[in-house]
Amino acid sequence: NAGVTQTPKFRILKIGQSMTLQCTQDMNHNYMYWYRQDPGMGLKLIYYSVGAGITDKGEVPNGYNVSRSTTEDFPLRLELAAPSQTSVYFCASSYPWGSGSGGGNEQFFGPGTRLTVL
Amino acid sequence: GQQLNQSPQSMFIQEGEDVSMNCTSSSIFNTWLWYKQDPGEGPVLLIALYKAGELTSNGRLTAQFGITRKDSFLNISASIPSDVGIYFCAGCSNGNQFYFGTGTSLTVIP
Repeated sequence: NAGVTQTPKFRILKIGQSMTLQCTQDMNHNYMYWYRQDPGMGLKLIYYSVGAGITDKGEVPNGYNVSRSTTEDFPLRLELAAPSQTSVYFCASSYPWGSGSGGGNEQFFGPGTRLTVL
Repeated sequence: GQQLNQSPQSMFIQEGEDVSMNCTSSSIFNTWLWYKQDPGEGPVLLIALYKAGELTSNGRLTAQFGITRKDSFLNISASIPSDVGIYFCAGCSNGNQFYFGTGTSLTVIP
């Protein structure tokens, strides 16, 4: 299994540009998540999805959009990039509570996308 | 949002020493996870805890789910240079949203 894969690894955007961060998982996990990590900080949840066709806001959703048309893919869209969106973005996936290997919902992360908005 | 207080913020230790770090929350959680993150990489799951009082080991790592369900502890015994990295705790109360601590940066001096 490749696990959780993210593309691109790095990207520089100009203010006002748009882009889509791609995330794919091959573990047949129902749940998928997008986080951002600012320097010296923990991860903040942007959006999550509990299954295809279902998405919900996390702590910091403003300026982002998501879609979940398949179990495997969970792209994150930035429509009008702003300097405040400079960050490292991580995608993660998990089983629902009670279904994971440990009986719970432990999350597995991708390698991240480093985004700079100038 | 939820605030997890993780301490210490950073640690500098000699190789072979034991390490302890903890995470506290103002809210009750039903899951605690501990992750390690290397530079330029995503977090890697170390230990998952699901019951209050639970004590779980993974090699030299041991983590505990606090009795109050508002805290968790991670211990690393006999540290080695490859233990260097940032350790994060994460807590979840509803099965969907995890909240992360701000991390403990560990440096191991050979």
